[in-house]
Amino acid sequence: AQRVTQPEKLLSVFKGAPVELKCNYSYSGSPELFWYVQYSRQRLQLLLRHISRESIKGFTADLNKGETSFHLKKPFAQEEDSAMYYCALRLAGGYQKVTFGIGTKLQVIP
Amino acid sequence: GAGVSQSPSNKVTEKGKDVELRCDPISGHTALYWYRQSLGQGLEFLIYFQGNSAPDKSGLPSDRFSAERTGGSVSTLTIQRTQQEDSAVYLCASSFQPVNTEAFFGQGTRLTVV
Repeated sequence: AQRVTQPEKLLSVFKGAPVELKCNYSYSGSPELFWYVQYSRQRLQLLLRHISRESIKGFTADLNKGETSFHLKKPFAQEEDSAMYYCALRLAGGYQKVTFGIGTKLQVIP
Repeated sequence: GAGVSQSPSNKVTEKGKDVELRCDPISGHTALYWYRQSLGQGLEFLIYFQGNSAPDKSGLPSDRFSAERTGGSVSTLTIQRTQQEDSAVYLCASSFQPVNTEAFFGQGTRLTVV
């Protein structure tokens, strides 16, 4: 079965410092990878997906199939980035469920 | 509707009572998920409905938990004989697979078992 691992429950960084939220997955095929974000008192929402190869709010994530990783990065953290971040995986093609990691709380210190 | 709607927003129940949580997905979405969100446990998968296929119940923690999806739309998650460890935020999400795999989440139901 597919699995998503986020090794850090809490990541604290200073404003302006680089951010890297780690995500590793276990699946031998070609998955779809996502990052979801939940800001305080808001709904969980999609931040970005690997197939889009886009930068959202300054965040990027590259799928590394060799290392089975999909780390989320931002060069300069902002206070408004403080939130819960969830990495998610879905098997590509057809009708497949989405599996989430346990989440990492990002705390940006002013 | 405009988004995934869950009711009630908050539910306080006594230990041993049964509760029903409702989810109205986005109209036309074929996939519906239930997750449980609790401190220290992250986002825990419970059950997945896809169209008329048999649901994936592999995440249900015990036989006290069950879910239905009527007419391919509204879903109800039922917890029987609630226990204090059932206290959590229960999230529902829907998506329009396979065309759009993004999951849209509801605001959640906060369940407190006292």
